[in-house]
Amino acid sequence: DGGITQSPKYLFRKEGQNVTLSCEQNLNHDAMYWYRQDPGQGLRLIYYSQIVNDFQKGDIAEGYSVSREKKESFPLTVTSAQKNPTAFYLCASSGSGQGRETQYFGPGTRLLVL
Amino acid sequence: DAKTTQPNSMESNEEEPVHLPCNHSTISGTDYIHWYRQLPSQGPEYVIHGLTSNVNNRMASLAIAEDRKSSTLILHRATLRDAAVYYCILTGNAGGTSYGKLTFGQGTILTVHP
Repeated sequence: DGGITQSPKYLFRKEGQNVTLSCEQNLNHDAMYWYRQDPGQGLRLIYYSQIVNDFQKGDIAEGYSVSREKKESFPLTVTSAQKNPTAFYLCASSGSGQGRETQYFGPGTRLLVL
Repeated sequence: DAKTTQPNSMESNEEEPVHLPCNHSTISGTDYIHWYRQLPSQGPEYVIHGLTSNVNNRMASLAIAEDRKSSTLILHRATLRDAAVYYCILTGNAGGTSYGKLTFGQGTILTVHP
């Protein structure tokens, strides 16, 4: 089945540690996105990529980094510079990044700080 | 970004229709109206979208006001599985800064009673 997979489902981070969240899609979509969701809040855009080897900062990129070396993969690294990383992280993709396109979301990764 | 306004919460009984309103008085002529929903601890799921005309699909119907300043998502027969947070989002065409960014508000929490 086509879709988006995220792993792990839960991730624990120690102080000062970088952690990487995985996002893979087999929908042949060009555009991919990372969002963060805090309890009781809507989603906020961290980074997006409309094509391989290119990505742009979203609204809350500080403390995060991404790479887009393959069309189907868009990993997110939460660095030690992100002082409040505890949140629900969602990856999404869409056909070409056009504004009116439907986005398809993965199941999410919940990041907790030890 | 054009904003939307939704009620914080609504309740319904199982098997009854549900009308979820959304106000978007600053919508531009090229903005589409998208609805997503998010079940607890899951990623958002696309429900329906439209531009000017009313739309129907297997999940729901979307009624758009003639002046496009408001819309209503209609679930014809609510089930317990429809209990979720429903987001009304305006999406623009490509170009400028619109790309594929989805601006999520806090949405409407729908509770369905058996």
